[in-house]
Amino acid sequence: KQEVTQIPAALSVPEGENLVLNCSFTDSAIYNLQWFRQDPGKGLTSLLLIQSSQREQTSGRLNASLDKSSGRSTLYIAASQPGDSATYLCAPGGGNKLTFGTGTQLKVEL
Amino acid sequence: DTEVTQTPKHLVMGMTNKKSLKCEQHMGHRAMYWYKQKAKKPPELMFVYSYEKLSINESVPSRFSPECPNSSLLNLHLHALQPEDSALYLCASSQEVRTEAFFGQGTRLTVV
Repeated sequence: KQEVTQIPAALSVPEGENLVLNCSFTDSAIYNLQWFRQDPGKGLTSLLLIQSSQREQTSGRLNASLDKSSGRSTLYIAASQPGDSATYLCAPGGGNKLTFGTGTQLKVEL
Repeated sequence: DTEVTQTPKHLVMGMTNKKSLKCEQHMGHRAMYWYKQKAKKPPELMFVYSYEKLSINESVPSRFSPECPNSSLLNLHLHALQPEDSALYLCASSQEVRTEAFFGQGTRLTVV
């Protein structure tokens, strides 16, 4: 059974800082990994998708890396803004389904 | 357009009621999913439909009954629920299984 852990569980930073969110998973037999953000009480917004054959994917201020063999992914957020405040979830895909991590709750302060 | 639409946004139901949640997408996706999310927890998979056929049931109690009447629509029929079933129910779709998933805004269900 896939187990997904995200560190840190919560993070509070001043605006403008560069951030790294970590995700580790136990089963490396994945076909892709998605990063999502979730605002309180809302649905999930897809941020980035990395295929298992890729090492990195970028979208705007976001960069995600994947090391499948070691079961790790990181999400890098450059020049953080208050609008980035949300919970960030990683979800490795395997066996025709996504398994979600425990999430990192991010607060970016003015 | 990457929109998945869920209705209703909020639902309060009694333990003897029957209700349905609806999910719709017009992206031509052939895989659709139901997830359940309890407060402060990650989403957990309930069901996967691929080409309108149920392909995964994660041992969900029979009081939850999914239905996929066509490739754009996914329903979740609810009957005799318990208060512990109160949660955010999320629908998602993807082009095929194993491709990028897009989620709706969820239905907040409260069972009283």
